[in-house]
Amino acid sequence: GAVVSQHPSRVICKSGTSVKIECRSLDFQATTMFWYRQFPKQSLMLMATSNEGSKATYEQGVEKDKFLINHASLTLSTLTVTSAHPEDSSFYICSARLQGVGTEAFFGQGTRLTVV
Amino acid sequence: GQQVMQIPQYQHVQEGEDFTTYCNSSTTLSNIQWYKQRPGGHPVFLIQLVKSGEVKKQKRLTFQFGEAKKNSSLHITATQTTDVGTYFCAGPNPEETSGSRLTFGEGTQLTVNP
Repeated sequence: GAVVSQHPSRVICKSGTSVKIECRSLDFQATTMFWYRQFPKQSLMLMATSNEGSKATYEQGVEKDKFLINHASLTLSTLTVTSAHPEDSSFYICSARLQGVGTEAFFGQGTRLTVV
Repeated sequence: GQQVMQIPQYQHVQEGEDFTTYCNSSTTLSNIQWYKQRPGGHPVFLIQLVKSGEVKKQKRLTFQFGEAKKNSSLHITATQTTDVGTYFCAGPNPEETSGSRLTFGEGTQLTVNP
């Protein structure tokens, strides 16, 4: 099946610094990728839709300047958490779907971000 | 906006007991998907239901899609410790014609006592 790889799996950073998370589709091209945030014991909250070659579409309440998304190629989307603060600590997961309506979502392994 | 609700939020069972999680959408769904997330892991696709009243089975797992295509259920017969995890249902966002965005339910966290 299709594989989505996310890196890094864990990162600890200091307050005020920026962290970049990469999401790659390894064996298929993904014109669209999705970034989620998940708090402990909670559901997946969609943050934004990453569109190859164009601007990302952010969900209501998600700060565009805080969570920068770049989708420069058909196999790579990046999420940069800028000027991170402890409240940004969370589990971030990306996903991609094969083209076509009703296809399953393939998730990356997730990134556990801890801001100290 | 669309809401996808799941109950119960938590379920603790003894190994061998059955388990059911229910999913309800505020809007009619063209399809519904189910995912499982093991503790510390990422969601993994289980199945997709498309037809009204559809029932699909995967070994001990039985998935149903309601006649009105607004609700669904996942039933596990004779749970095993390997069934531990959080089960999510997800439906396409009706506001998006491409259907690429999914709205996830809150999930049901299953724990199994050996």
